[in-house]
Order: sequence, then C-alpha cells, then structure tokens
Amino acid sequence: DAGVIQSPRHEVTEMGQEVTLRCKPISGHNSLFWYRQTMMRGLELLIYFNNNVPIDDSGMPEDRFSAKMPNASFSTLKIQPSEPRDSAVYFCASSGTGIHGYTFGSGTRLTVV
Amino acid sequence: QKEVEQDPGPLSVPEGAIVSLNCTYSNSAFQYFMWYRQYSRKGPELLMYTYSSGNKEDGRFTAQVDKSSKYISLFIRDSQPSDSATYLCAMKSNDYKLSFGAGTTVTVRA
Repeated sequence: DAGVIQSPRHEVTEMGQEVTLRCKPISGHNSLFWYRQTMMRGLELLIYFNNNVPIDDSGMPEDRFSAKMPNASFSTLKIQPSEPRDSAVYFCASSGTGIHGYTFGSGTRLTVV
Repeated sequence: QKEVEQDPGPLSVPEGAIVSLNCTYSNSAFQYFMWYRQYSRKGPELLMYTYSSGNKEDGRFTAQVDKSSKYISLFIRDSQPSDSATYLCAMKSNDYKLSFGAGTTVTVRA
C-alpha cells in the first residue's frame, strides 16, 4: 500500500495566483480530511469528506478556499486567490470505517510570496 | 481554554533515558486516544492507539490513559536518536473529529 499520496510536495507561488493541491487516499478508506499545519496554530481541520460528500467544511478559512472529491480516489484543495498568510503545510489524511486513527500524507509545503 | 493541552517543549534527553510526554483534555466525551509521531518535513504517523483507561505497551513505547483525571501519557524507554521527532497527542469521541495537541518536540542526544 502506497499510503496517502499528495502532490506537489512543495509549491511556491505569487500572491494572487491560484493554487491546487491534490490527494489520493488509501484505497478502501471512505473518509478524507484536509488539514493545515502552522507553527502558530498547529494542525487545523479544514474539511472532512465521507463517501466523497463534504460533511464539515467549517474549518475552511474563507471563500478563497474550496475542496472537491469527485471520486473515492481523488480530492483537491484549491486556493484562489492565494495570499502570503496561506503559507503553511497542507496535509491530506484518510480513514476507513471502524478505524479511529487517520493515515496522513507527506504534505504539501505551500509558500505564497 | 483549548480542548487538548500539550506542553510544546522542547524536550532534550540523553540517549537511553526515559522520555515522558503528556496531555490533558477537557472533553469527557473523548474515548479514543492516540499518539502520533512527526519527523521533520513528514506527515504525522500513528504510533499508539488506546481505548478507555489503562496502559498499552508496544516495544519501547507505553501509552497510559487516566480518564478520571483527563490525562494521557506516552513513555519511551531506552530512547534512541531516531526517536527525535515531534509527538502529538490526539483524541476523539464517537464522531469523526480528531482533536490534536500542539505537539512536543523531542531531541535524543547521542
């Protein structure tokens, strides 16, 4: 099992540009989470999908952030337009029914200049 | 007050020492307790998982949960330089939401 796969690993972009982060969860896992990690705020849950349906997006900071899960094996997190304060490491995690721990990907380190 | 409190450290110990990490929490609905290890520039990795009060051992690692005191601990025996990482406690009730501590950065000196 390749685990949760995220791309790109690093992204440097200019303020105002659109950024798209990608995630492939573990096959068979029906829950997918997007997290953001910063030194100041730690790990913050942005959005939670169950069976490809967004269940809780209360952590999405602003309308500039959007997430989709078109099928069980792919999800995207988009920021448009990006701002310097969006600089952080973004993690995708997945989990299966009856499994209480999450498996995290390696993250995307986003820098907005 | 945060739902989960964890001292961020940093904690520095000599190789072979016992590392003691802990978290307190306020939500009495939490039933599932986890410890994640995060190496620099990597994602968190599930290290230990416990349900209800008591101890759980896995090799050099022991997780303790005291639900009456709302207190959980992780002990690392015979610590190695490869144990140098950030350790995050995490806990949840019966729903999906995992609440994380801030993480404690541990350095094991050779």
